[in-house]
Amino acid sequence: GENVEQHPSTLSVQEGDSAVIKCTYSDSASNYFPWYKQELGKRPQLIIDIRSNVGEKKDQRIAVTLNKTAKHFSLHITETQPEDSAVYFCAAREGAGSYQLTFGKGTKLSVIP
Amino acid sequence: DSGVTQTPKHLITATGQRVTLRCSPRSGDLSVYWYQQSLDQGLQFLIQYYNGEERAKGNILERFSAQQFPDLHSELNLSSLELGDSALYFCASSVSGTGKVNTEAFFGQGTRLTVV
Repeated sequence: GENVEQHPSTLSVQEGDSAVIKCTYSDSASNYFPWYKQELGKRPQLIIDIRSNVGEKKDQRIAVTLNKTAKHFSLHITETQPEDSAVYFCAAREGAGSYQLTFGKGTKLSVIP
Repeated sequence: DSGVTQTPKHLITATGQRVTLRCSPRSGDLSVYWYQQSLDQGLQFLIQYYNGEERAKGNILERFSAQQFPDLHSELNLSSLELGDSALYFCASSVSGTGKVNTEAFFGQGTRLTVV
C-alpha cells in the first residue's frame, strides 16, 4: 500500500516569511495529492490539491508542486499570517483499487507575529 | 459545513463497553472513510467503504468493525473499549470510486471518544 512521509513535523516562521512542507509517497500509481489544514479541535479542511498531470498549482498565497519522477510534492505558503498557524497534512490517493487516501503524519506550523 | 454529519460529537464511556459512531456522507458521495486521530497524532486510516462494500482496510483493530448501509450512511462499532481507544474519530466522504478518482474528500466534525 501507499506510504506518505511528511517533513518537518514542526515548523516555526516569522509572520511574513514563507513556509515549505515536503512530502514523499511510495506508490507510483498515486495520482491525486491533496493538502489539508486542521485547526485545533476542528476537522481537516482541504486547502489545495494537485493531480498527477500537473506540476504546479497556485491559489493566492498557497502553492503546491509535484515531482512525479521523484515521488515528491510540497506545499508553499508565502507571506505567512498568524491565522496560518495550524497542522497541515499531505495525502496521496491510490490511482486504482480502493482510491484510498493515505495521510502524512502532519506538520504543526506556528507563525510568530 | 462540509455536508458530512457525524454523531455523536462527544462520547464518554467506560472500559469494556461498546459504542457506535455514525456518519452520514455528503449527498451523492459513495465512499466513506474512517480515521482515528489520537492526541498529537496524525490521521490513521481505519477502513473505507464504497457503495456498501468494504474497499480497503487500514490499521483497524479486530475489536472495531464498520458497515455502510444502503442509504450510504456508515457506522463504526468499537467494542471492548480500552483507555487507549480515546481519540477523535473522523469520517470523510468522497465521490471516488470506479470512474471518478480525483475528487476531494470532505471530513465531518468528528466524534471525540473518551474512555474512562
